Amino acid sequence: DTGVSQDPRHKITKRGQNVTFRCDPISEHNRLYWYRQTLGQGPEFLTYFQNEAQLEKSRLLSDRFSAERPKGSFSTLEIQRTEQGDSAMYLCASSFGTGFTDTQYFGPGTRLTVL
Amino acid sequence: RKEVEQDPGPFNVPEGATVAFNCTYSNSASQSFFWYRQDCRKEPKLLMSVYSSGNEDGRFTAQLNRASQYISLLIRDSKLSDSATYLCVVNLGNDYKLSFGAGTTVTVRA
Repeated sequence: DTGVSQDPRHKITKRGQNVTFRCDPISEHNRLYWYRQTLGQGPEFLTYFQNEAQLEKSRLLSDRFSAERPKGSFSTLEIQRTEQGDSAMYLCASSFGTGFTDTQYFGPGTRLTVL
Repeated sequence: RKEVEQDPGPFNVPEGATVAFNCTYSNSASQSFFWYRQDCRKEPKLLMSVYSSGNEDGRFTAQLNRASQYISLLIRDSKLSDSATYLCVVNLGNDYKLSFGAGTTVTVRA
């Protein structure tokens, strides 16, 4: 399978714990995006990378959230001191190109439940 | 006001029927428009881009009305496999992030 992969697919944690998710984009895709989706809503943009540079972060991305893409390939999203409101599906997407209309391909997501 | 608003539905239609729904977007500077499809508990997948002149892809027709700031999707000859949530997606054109509507749920019954 050469699509976007995410790990883990499901994560259950207790409030206050730290969690880290991984995203492996489609090979050679230069852009990588993180979105968050809650029940009944569409995905909301969190942040994106062009190669290893993090170019934009949403106001949704509080200080407890940090994302990295150290070598311009896979990315990690860490949430520190999780809260129940962090429960959501965390989606990663990747794209290739230089235009604003490049197709973003989504991974299967990591479903986070904070107890 | 949300950037992209959609009628949540659900639209329950029989096989073979035509179903159509719209979404509206708030930012008149928006440049790119898409419809994504999302099956239950799965990731969104691009269904089609929406062009100014309107475009078709098989049984799916998308229209863009910039003056009224809305996008439409029409599905002809509905199949059971068309049952899904359809996400209206807009890109402002000055960055790479996508703004999603909350989705319109379509259920096609036998």
